[in-house]
Amino acid sequence: AQTVTQSQPEMSVQEAETVTLSCTYDTSENNYYLFWYKQPPSRQMILVIRQEAYKQQNATENRFSVNFQKAAKSFSLKISDSQLGDTAMYFCAFMKHVTDSSYKLIFGSGTRLLVRP
Amino acid sequence: EPEVTQTPSHQVTQMGQEVILRCVPISNHLYFYWYRQILGQKVEFLVSFYNNEISEKSEIFDDQFSVERPDGSNFTLKIRSTKLEDSAMYFCARPDRITDTQYFGPGTRLTVL
Repeated sequence: AQTVTQSQPEMSVQEAETVTLSCTYDTSENNYYLFWYKQPPSRQMILVIRQEAYKQQNATENRFSVNFQKAAKSFSLKISDSQLGDTAMYFCAFMKHVTDSSYKLIFGSGTRLLVRP
Repeated sequence: EPEVTQTPSHQVTQMGQEVILRCVPISNHLYFYWYRQILGQKVEFLVSFYNNEISEKSEIFDDQFSVERPDGSNFTLKIRSTKLEDSAMYFCARPDRITDTQYFGPGTRLTVL
């Protein structure tokens, strides 16, 4: 069974600094997708970034980028130039194929990020 | 980005009562997903729904739960007889047609007293 592990329950970073959130996963599949979702205090789940396992190039979205190490099954999120609005829970997720066209997300336990002014 | 709305935003109910949570996609979608997040815990998959049928469900999704598409557009999650442990945020999610990336609705916070 696939599992997703986030080993950092809480992280703190100074505004404008860079922070990296860790995520590891376990799977026997070769083709899959990985995601980071942000959950601010409103509790809405907001997509941050997506990575396809078959792509060697790391995904980037503005200040957000990932370090995807397929062999090590590692998928860390780097936030550059941290802003106060980045304060939130961050969940790493693995997308598991369940039928021909249906998937489900398996989430890690989350990392609470606090950006200090 | 695909839009999804959920109603109500917050529902308070007594233990043993039935609740119906609703999800409305902006455009027609055949696939839909429901997830649950107990306060302070991770998000857990409940069920995937395709073309008016359940395609996959988790161990959490027992006989107390059901999903429907009653009018061809809304998707509903029904809990027949709520328990205290059903208190959680319930999210629906719809996939992007091309990438299958799942976009979440704002969630319904269910409180069972």
